[in-house]
Amino acid sequence: SAVISQKPSRDICQRGTSLTIQCQVDSQVTMMFWYRQQPGQSLTLIATANQGSEATYESGFVIDKFPISRPNLTFSTLTVSNMSPEDSSIYLCSGLGVSTDTQYFGPGTRLTVL
Amino acid sequence: GNSVTQMEGPVTLSEEAFLTINCTYTATGYPSLFWYVQYPGEGLQLLLKATKADDKGSNKGFEATYRKETTSFHLEKGSVQVSDSAVYFCALRTNAGKSTFGDGTTLTVKP
Repeated sequence: SAVISQKPSRDICQRGTSLTIQCQVDSQVTMMFWYRQQPGQSLTLIATANQGSEATYESGFVIDKFPISRPNLTFSTLTVSNMSPEDSSIYLCSGLGVSTDTQYFGPGTRLTVL
Repeated sequence: GNSVTQMEGPVTLSEEAFLTINCTYTATGYPSLFWYVQYPGEGLQLLLKATKADDKGSNKGFEATYRKETTSFHLEKGSVQVSDSAVYFCALRTNAGKSTFGDGTTLTVKP
């Protein structure tokens, strides 16, 4: 199994600023993903983080707003840029296990933008 | 595109009651199906899964059977406990590796 940690666990930010969320996995995973979860709602996939290359974004999400890095197999970052109150949400990191097809999730980063 | 439709919540049950949370899906090909559970303040955890038609996933007293003919994967438990109170998500995953989630169903079990 894999354990995923995220930092920070929560933050309150001002409009127009940027926040970088870090995701660390304790073992290798094949694919890594970033999701957004509005309170009481489902998960929306933002992008697939690709090791050593540009992330693959879903419709409605762009690199300028959500730049993502994945320098190695166990670490990724998501930046929420030029934030507005509409970006207030929980951001989840996820990884797909190497030896199994189990998907693991981090505890999430709760972001509030004022 | 792919989609997952879950029974709307919230669901409130008394301890030892029978639980069913309905889940149907639309997908091209033959997806794997999953139920995840999210306890308050925690991340999602895999509860059970099924990778092909007629497979039954089970864990912690919960069961779900992959029904291709009805495109369903309903979650059941014969006797719920207060500790089962959580949000339950049905999901599918295709060979491309991306998952599609339902909206989640909040279960509250009262003693």
